[in-house]
Amino acid sequence: GAGVSQTPSNKVTEKGKYVELRCDPISGHTALYWYRQSLGQGPEFLIYFQGTGAADDSGLPNDRFFAVRPEGSVSTLKIQRTERGDSAVYLCASSRTGGSGQPQHFGDGTRLSIL
Amino acid sequence: GQQLNQSPQSMFIQEGENVSMNCTSSSIFNTWLWYKQDPGEGPVLLIALYKAGELTSNGRLTAQFGITRKDSFLNISASIPSDVGIYFCAGQRGAGSYQLTFGKGTKLSVIP
Repeated sequence: GAGVSQTPSNKVTEKGKYVELRCDPISGHTALYWYRQSLGQGPEFLIYFQGTGAADDSGLPNDRFFAVRPEGSVSTLKIQRTERGDSAVYLCASSRTGGSGQPQHFGDGTRLSIL
Repeated sequence: GQQLNQSPQSMFIQEGENVSMNCTSSSIFNTWLWYKQDPGEGPVLLIALYKAGELTSNGRLTAQFGITRKDSFLNISASIPSDVGIYFCAGQRGAGSYQLTFGKGTKLSVIP
C-alpha cells in the first residue's frame, strides 16, 4: 500500500502478557517513529529509528518497552509484562529521511487494551 | 510529557463560518505542523511550516508560523461538514531532535 500500515488494528490482552505491534512504513522512508496516544490527548513520542538503529529512545516510559527495526524497514514495538496503564493507541509514522523539513506520515494505529 | 498549549479545546460552528485555532509553546520550535484526526484513524498532515513568519495555504486552510517560533495558528474558511474532526498542532525542534511534540487537539463540530 501507499501509506504506513500497522497491525493488528486492535489488540486485547490480559495484564502481565507480552505484546508485539508491527509497523510497515511507506516504501523508501528511512526514518520511523513510534508514538502513543491516550484518550483525549495528542500523540506522545516513544522512539525514533534512522535506518536500523534507534537514534532516540528517550520517550520509552520504562524497560518493559522495546522496539526493533532489524532490516531498516518494518519495525516491531514490544511490550513485556503489560499493565492496564499501557492501554492506548500506538501510532507509527515514517518520513523520507530523518531530520528537519521531513513531514511525518502516520498509520491508523493499533488500539491496545489491557484487561 | 510536554505538550503544546492548543486552544480552543472544542468549537461548535455553523456550516459556512470561518474557524481559527492556535498553538503556543514556552520554547522554540523550528518546524510547525498541523494534522487532522478522524475517529479510528491516524493523524493526517494538513500543512507544514518551516520558516518563522511563513504563511501557507492548502485549499481553504491557512496556517502561519509565528515570528517568535513559539506559536502557530490555523484558519479554516467557509467550513463544511467534512471539516469535523480533531485538529492537532505539532512542533519539531530539529538540530538532532526530530520527534514531534503535540498539542491536546481542538475538536471541531460543524452544524449543517
